Amino acid sequence: NAGVTQTPKFRVLKTGQSMTLLCAQDMNHEYMYWYRQDPGMGLRLIHYSVGEGTTAKGEVPDGYNVSRLKKQNFLLGLESAAPSQTSVYFCASSLQGPNEQFFGPGTRLTVL
Amino acid sequence: SQQGEEDPQALSIQEGENATMNCSYKTSINNLQWYRQNSGRGLVHLILIRSNEREKHSGRLRVTLDTSKKSSSLLITASRAADTASYFCATYDDYKLSFGAGTTVTVRA
Repeated sequence: NAGVTQTPKFRVLKTGQSMTLLCAQDMNHEYMYWYRQDPGMGLRLIHYSVGEGTTAKGEVPDGYNVSRLKKQNFLLGLESAAPSQTSVYFCASSLQGPNEQFFGPGTRLTVL
Repeated sequence: SQQGEEDPQALSIQEGENATMNCSYKTSINNLQWYRQNSGRGLVHLILIRSNEREKHSGRLRVTLDTSKKSSSLLITASRAADTASYFCATYDDYKLSFGAGTTVTVRA
């Protein structure tokens, strides 16, 4: 099993450009999450999904959109990137909400 | 807003010593989890303790939970160089985990 994978690993964008981060899990987990991690801070939840076709806002959702069209995939979109979105993005999944979360390796995004 | 806050922010110990870090949180929780993050990597789950549990062990890890004080501690015994990492507590409530800022542990050889 690959667990949780993220694509791409690194990306540099210019302000105003758009991009989509892909997260895939092969553990048949119901719940999936997108976090961002900034220096000196813990992870902050951007959006999450409790099942295929559902999404919900987390702590810092502004400037991001998500979609969960298939159970195994959770996409994070940036429509118009801003320098404040420079961060490391982590995707995670869990069997159910209260269970342990399995994290992907992260995507390092720089917005110039 | 961050639910959990770890203390200390950083810890440096000699190999073989024990490392203790604490986590305080603000509201009632379903469970509390500890994660480890090695430099440049994703987080790895270490241990989960439910709100009705007081202590839990896993290998060299010991976690305590005091819901009356809204605090938890993580003890790593007989530390090794491979334990060098950042450690995060996370509280589960309302469908999501809320992470603290973490404790950075350095184990010196």
